[in-house]
Amino acid sequence: AQSVTQPDIHITVSEGASLELRCNYSYGATPYLFWYVQSPGQGLQLLLKYFSGDTLVQGIKGFEAEFKRSQSSFNLRKPSVHWSDAAEYFCAVGASGTYKYIFGTGTRLKVLA
Amino acid sequence: NAGVTQTPKFQVLKTGQSMTLQCAQDMNHEYMSWYRQDPGMGLRLIHYSVGAGITDQGEVPNGYNVSRSTTEDFPLRLLSAAPSQTSVYFCASSLAGRDGNEQFFGPGTRLTVL
Repeated sequence: AQSVTQPDIHITVSEGASLELRCNYSYGATPYLFWYVQSPGQGLQLLLKYFSGDTLVQGIKGFEAEFKRSQSSFNLRKPSVHWSDAAEYFCAVGASGTYKYIFGTGTRLKVLA
Repeated sequence: NAGVTQTPKFQVLKTGQSMTLQCAQDMNHEYMSWYRQDPGMGLRLIHYSVGAGITDQGEVPNGYNVSRSTTEDFPLRLLSAAPSQTSVYFCASSLAGRDGNEQFFGPGTRLTVL
């Protein structure tokens, strides 16, 4: 069965510091992978997605993620965090042929001024 | 183009009451789904639909009913609310016919069952 693990529940970084949020997945075939961001009291917004091809994908708001098949990982990165990046981040895997998405439990990011 | 809309934004129910959470999208998306979000558990799929007249169960379907009579609307019904259904509910939609399409989310409904 498909699963997604986000091992970090909370992460705190200083503004201007680099960021890496971890995501590991379990899936039998090539997965469809997503990162979503949820600001307080809001719905989810897509940051980026990976279907195939180049394993380094660029997203909105300066985020990028790298798909590493050998490590079953799809970590999200940003070189310099802004205070407005404080939010909760969800990794998700799409199950081919079923239109079902499995979400991780989320990582809440706090940014210190 | 309003995207995905949900009503109401907030709702308080007493145990045993029934209600319907509304979801509508104006993007002509075939695929629609309902998730619940609980602290520390991420989003869990309740029900989904791949087109009008076609629905299926997700991970946590018990206590919820859905129907899809039109492409635009996908209501979620709680027939007899229980405190365990206190949660934030999100509706999402996407194009079907191709795996892995981006899901567009509504703003959510915060439900409290007393």
